[in-house]
Amino acid sequence: ETGVTQTPRHLVMGMTNKKSLKCEQHLGHNAMYWYKQSAKKPLELMFVYSLEERVENNSVPSRFSPECPNSSHLFLHLHTLQPEDSALYLCASSQEYQGAVGYGYTFGSGTRLTVV
Amino acid sequence: AQKITQTQPGMFVQEKEAVTLDCTYDTSDPSYGLFWYKQPSSGEMIFLIYQGSYDQQNATEGRYSLNFQKARKSANLVISASQLGDSAMYFCAMRYSGNTPLVFGKGTRLSVIA
Repeated sequence: ETGVTQTPRHLVMGMTNKKSLKCEQHLGHNAMYWYKQSAKKPLELMFVYSLEERVENNSVPSRFSPECPNSSHLFLHLHTLQPEDSALYLCASSQEYQGAVGYGYTFGSGTRLTVV
Repeated sequence: AQKITQTQPGMFVQEKEAVTLDCTYDTSDPSYGLFWYKQPSSGEMIFLIYQGSYDQQNATEGRYSLNFQKARKSANLVISASQLGDSAMYFCAMRYSGNTPLVFGKGTRLSVIA
C-alpha cells in the first residue's frame, strides 16, 4: 500500500459514543496532521505531530484527543461529540526539513463523520 | 500574519476552454512555497503544482500552470483545455519559513460545463 490511508471512510456516531479515526502513511514522512473541514468553512488545522511529538494544538476541544504512537500512524480519539463536530476529517503527512518550504502535504481520503 | 486569499467562491468554464483561478498571498518572509490542491467530491486533497518564491520560471505540470507574479503577491492557477473531471474545489496554500503548517485559502469551486 502506498500514500496516506484513512479509516473508516464514513462514521456515524451518537453523542455519547467513543470512536477513533485512524491514519497511516507509507511515505516515510516525519510529520502528520489532522484537519477538520466543515461545510462552507475553510480547512481548520487541528493537530500537528512532528517526529511523533505534538507541536501544535489549535485550541481544539478536549473531546478530540490525538495520538501518534510512531511516525507512520496517527489516531484521533473522539468522545462525547456534538452535532457541530460533523465534518470531513482529513489526515496529511509531509517531510519536514529545517527551513525548507518546498515540501507539501500528502492527504488521505478523509473520514466523513456524522454526529447524531 | 500570513494569509491566503481566494476571492472566487465559484467559477464556471466551458469544456475545452482555459480557466484562471485567483490566489493572492501575504507574507513578509522572503522564502516561501505556494501550492495548489484539487479536492473532488470524494474528499481527497490532490496535489497539483508547486512554486517556490525563488523560482525564476512559472511552474507547469501538464495542463496546469501557475502564473506567479511576485511583486503582486499572486499565484494564479491556470487550467488549460478544461475537462469535465476538473470539476472540483481548488485550494491555494502557502508554507513559509519551513517547519510551519500549510496555510490554506477558502477555496474556489470550479464547475466545467459540457
